[in-house]
Amino acid sequence: AQSVTQPDIHITVSEGASLELRCNYSYGATPYLFWYVQSPGQGLQLLLKYFSGDTLVQGIKGFEAEFKRSQSSFNLRKPSVHWSDAAEYFCAVGTGFQKLVFGTGTRLLVSP
Amino acid sequence: NAGVTQTPKFRVLKTGQSMTLLCAQDMNHEYMYWYRQDPGMGLRLIHYSVGEGTTAKGEVPDGYNVSRLKKQNFLLGLESAAPSQTSVYFCASRPRGNSNYGYTFGSGTRLTVV
Repeated sequence: AQSVTQPDIHITVSEGASLELRCNYSYGATPYLFWYVQSPGQGLQLLLKYFSGDTLVQGIKGFEAEFKRSQSSFNLRKPSVHWSDAAEYFCAVGTGFQKLVFGTGTRLLVSP
Repeated sequence: NAGVTQTPKFRVLKTGQSMTLLCAQDMNHEYMYWYRQDPGMGLRLIHYSVGEGTTAKGEVPDGYNVSRLKKQNFLLGLESAAPSQTSVYFCASRPRGNSNYGYTFGSGTRLTVV
């Protein structure tokens, strides 16, 4: 069965520091991979997605993610975190009938 | 352009009561989905629809029913609410085809069952 693992429940990063959020997936075929962000009380906003091709994907708000097939990973990165990036981040894999399977999320806290 | 609209935004139910959550999208999307979000569990798929008049079960369908009588609307029903159904419910839609995998999510419905 398809699954997504986000091993970090919480991460605290200082403002201006770099960020990496981890995501590992399990899926038999070529995966469609996504990162979403959710601010408190809000819905989900798509940050970026990977379908095929270049394994380094650029997204909105300065985020990028790298697909590594050998490691079954799709880690999210940002070179310099802003206080407004504090939110919950979800990794997801697209499966049959275009359903998304989500990870359990990583809550990002940004310290001044 | 409203996107995906969920009503109501908040609701408190007593155990055993019934209710219907409405999801409406104005983007002419074929596919629609209902997810529930619980702390530490991410989002889990309840039911989905790949077109008007069609529905299918997702990962956690028990206790819920759905209907898609019109392409733009996807209704989620709770016939006899239970405290375990306390959650935040999200609706999402997307167009047919793999070339654009862009889901649009609603802002959620927070349901409390007491």
